Amino acid sequence: DAGVIQSPRHEVTEMGQEVTLRCKPISGHDYLFWYRQTMMRGLELLIYFNNNVPIDDSGMPEDRFSAKMPNASFSTLKIQPSEPRDSAVYFCASSPRGRAPNEKLFFGSGTQLSVL
Amino acid sequence: GENVEQHPSTLSVQEGDSAVIKCTYSDSASNYFPWYKQELGKRPQLIIDIRSNVGEKKDQRIAVTLNKTAKHFSLHITETQPEDSAVYFCAARRGTARQLTFGSGTQLTVLP
Repeated sequence: DAGVIQSPRHEVTEMGQEVTLRCKPISGHDYLFWYRQTMMRGLELLIYFNNNVPIDDSGMPEDRFSAKMPNASFSTLKIQPSEPRDSAVYFCASSPRGRAPNEKLFFGSGTQLSVL
Repeated sequence: GENVEQHPSTLSVQEGDSAVIKCTYSDSASNYFPWYKQELGKRPQLIIDIRSNVGEKKDQRIAVTLNKTAKHFSLHITETQPEDSAVYFCAARRGTARQLTFGSGTQLTVLP
């Protein structure tokens, strides 16, 4: 398996533009997570899905952020409009089904977002 | 919710020495504590984890200890090598939840 695949690896955009980040989880994994990493705040959970259904989106910073998972093999994180403070590395991670709490997170390579 | 504090934020050690990173958590219902290593420009990867019914776990040069009463857990790396240089994150998770709460990370530098 190729692991969790994220695209793009790097995104540079101007303030006010829409940004869409994409993620393909590992096949067969039931859980998908979106994390944001910054120097100031470390790794923050934004939202996670179970079987394509959003379970906890309390970490989504504001209405400018939205996430979808239309099927088991694809998820998007959208920011509209983007702001400079959204600049960060955005990680997608997936984990398999199984009785909590012992499942490992498999991270993608991340998307480095820069909003100018 | 859960709050995880991690110390120190940076740590430098000489090659061959030991390194210890400490974390505390706030939610007594947390029962799973993994450690992730993130090399520069790479993705975080799990290196070791411990469950609340165990006090210590070892894997070669890496060990993790857990004190449930005090709500803290630590990562111990012995005989450090330059390739151990990375950012290390601790995390905690409640038994019924799926999401991890991460600590702020420790930048470990092993000096040759």
